[in-house]
Amino acid sequence: DAGVTQSPTHLIKTRGQQVTLRCSPKSGHDTVSWYQQALGQGPQFIFQYYEEEERQRGNFPDRFSGHQFPNYSSELNVNALLLGDSALYLCASSLALGTLHIYEQYFGPGTRLTVT
Amino acid sequence: DQQVKQNSPSLSVQEGRISILNCDYTNSMFDYFLWYKKYPAEGPTFLISISSIKDKNEDGRFTVFLNKSAKHLSLHIVPSQPGDSAVYFCAASARQGGSEKLVFGKGTKLTVNP
Repeated sequence: DAGVTQSPTHLIKTRGQQVTLRCSPKSGHDTVSWYQQALGQGPQFIFQYYEEEERQRGNFPDRFSGHQFPNYSSELNVNALLLGDSALYLCASSLALGTLHIYEQYFGPGTRLTVT
Repeated sequence: DQQVKQNSPSLSVQEGRISILNCDYTNSMFDYFLWYKKYPAEGPTFLISISSIKDKNEDGRFTVFLNKSAKHLSLHIVPSQPGDSAVYFCAASARQGGSEKLVFGKGTKLTVNP
């Protein structure tokens, strides 16, 4: 039973560029959340996707966008990269039961993004 | 304003003894709490959770205690093992409020010495 997978593992980009990160959820999960973890901080919620729609969003600018595909996998896109976007980007998957109750989120290994 | 606080950046414990990791929260809408463990170069691993309708939840060596009036929870690890050395994150969500996002603390680095 495959857990949450993310690609790529590491990425180096230049300021102003655009980046796409990918995530495949744990088998049987239908909800994907994205988090940004800066050095020395806890993960910060970016947004969550369910049924191919963004259902909740944290305090991140519109430069951060995402997508969920019919197979529940997801992409995180960041445009006009800034130095401050350098962080570990974590994808978490979970299972929605009903409209509100989502059980524990399971995390992937993350993508380390460095912006120079 | 940090809604979930882990005030101890680090904790060192002898193998076999109890490890107690603490977490405080400010948002009274939080009704579900989770602990995650994170090793370097890996994503956080879910450990144990507790709903606000309970005050204790146990899973093997791990027990989480919730004191709603004090807005405080703690994770007890007994007995501590060297393999428990990792960063531990406390997280909270306001599920009944319709928010399933997890709000994390900054983490506590636990070192268990042999």
